[in-house]
Amino acid sequence: DAGITQSPRHKVTETGTPVTLRCHQTENHRYMYWYRQDPGHGLRLIHYSYGVKDTDKGEVSDGYSVSRSKTEDFLLTLESATSSQTSVYFCAIFSRDRDGYTFGSGTRLTVV
Amino acid sequence: GQSLEQPSEVTAVEGAIVQINCTYQTSGFYGLSWYQQHDGGAPTFLSYNALDGLEETGRFSSFLSRSDSYGYLLLQELQMKDSASYFCASNAGNMLTFGGGTRLMVKP
Repeated sequence: DAGITQSPRHKVTETGTPVTLRCHQTENHRYMYWYRQDPGHGLRLIHYSYGVKDTDKGEVSDGYSVSRSKTEDFLLTLESATSSQTSVYFCAIFSRDRDGYTFGSGTRLTVV
Repeated sequence: GQSLEQPSEVTAVEGAIVQINCTYQTSGFYGLSWYQQHDGGAPTFLSYNALDGLEETGRFSSFLSRSDSYGYLLLQELQMKDSASYFCASNAGNMLTFGGGTRLMVKP
C-alpha cells in the first residue's frame, strides 16, 4: 500500500495542553492532508501540504497548525486543545495513479 | 464553496442491489470519488469518475452526470460485509471535499 502511518493511535489530553499528531509516509508523495471526522459532519479538511514547507488551510483550520519539514512527515498541532477538538483525525496522501486518497488508520483524540 | 448531499442511511437485504445517490454543488469540479468506511476503520478508495457515464469495478459501479451535478454508487449482489458508510467526494484538483456519508445496513 502507500505506507502511511499515524501516531499516536489514541490519545487523551487535558484542555489547554498542546498536542501534536504525526503522519509518516514512505513513498515520496507530494500532497498530504489532515482531516477530522465527527458524527454528522463526514470528513472535513483541516490543512494540507503540497510540498516541504508548503502548506495551506482547509475548511476547519482554526485552532490547528501544521508543519512539513521533510517530505515524509506531516505534523498537526493543536496549540491549546479544547473539548471541541475531540475527534478522529485522519491523514491522507494523494495517489496520482488512481486519482484517489489513501488514508492512515486514524488517531482518536479525546480532550477532557 | 463545496457541498455534497447524500442520504444518511440506506437499508437493503443480502443479494439485492442498492443505489446511493450524491448531488453536488462545487466550483472547480474535476470528478467524483467514492469511499467506503467500515466502523472503526479508515476510508478506502472505491472509484473515481472524471467523465460522464458508468465505471464498473466488480460488484460496484459508479455513475456521473456533470450536467445534472449528480452521481451514484451502485452495489450489486450485496453481501453482509458491504455494511459500512459510503462517502462521495468532489475532486477539485488535488483536494477532496466529502459528503456527510451514507450508512448502508445489509440485512440477511
